[in-house]
Amino acid sequence: NAGVTQTPKFQVLKTGQSMTLQCAQDMNHNSMYWYRQDPGMGLRLIYYSASEGTTDKGEVPNGYNVSRLNKREFSLRLESAAPSQTSVYFCASTPVTSGANVLTFGAGSRLTVL
Amino acid sequence: DQQVKQNSPSLSVQEGRISILNCDYTNSMFDYFLWYKKYPAEGPTFLISISSIKDKNEDGRFTVFLNKSAKHLSLHIVPSQPGDSAVYFCAAPESGGYQKVTFGTGTKLQVIP
Repeated sequence: NAGVTQTPKFQVLKTGQSMTLQCAQDMNHNSMYWYRQDPGMGLRLIYYSASEGTTDKGEVPNGYNVSRLNKREFSLRLESAAPSQTSVYFCASTPVTSGANVLTFGAGSRLTVL
Repeated sequence: DQQVKQNSPSLSVQEGRISILNCDYTNSMFDYFLWYKKYPAEGPTFLISISSIKDKNEDGRFTVFLNKSAKHLSLHIVPSQPGDSAVYFCAAPESGGYQKVTFGTGTKLQVIP
């Protein structure tokens, strides 16, 4: 009963390096999300995937790319990391069976860009 | 343009007293509002929700009130317990599919024993 699993939990990058954050859910949810959390900024939506095969930009998509590999997996890629991307990243998923749309979150991935 | 706002970054309350967390929104098309709770080093977890056709929803010690005319909602915790110490986020899914979910900036609640 894993729910939403994110890897890695911690990562340190140098400016300009690339990396991919992985997310997988085992709840057969249709929609998946990537948020970042920064002090004083709350949770800001980076990208979301309403269903398998679709992705859409959120509030802060610049510098990121995503791939909805299949119904279970939604990855977030930083092609050329910048210090401004130092943050805690959360993946979430939801079945979207109603308008209330309750999200289930992973435990987070803490990324530091030097 | 932040559609969901939490203007109080932090709140301290004595154990046993009431905690009131506030949230304002600008988009009158929101149909639902949700509150999430987040402990350090964990992901947010769903706490309680309210539909825009209601003005109150209660679940145990947690009650959410919605004032549509003021575009304001509040979360009441009575009585507050030390285990309630966490960051609370209000959130709203955009209507027309509800897939895009916007969160507020969060309020850090500290319940003092």
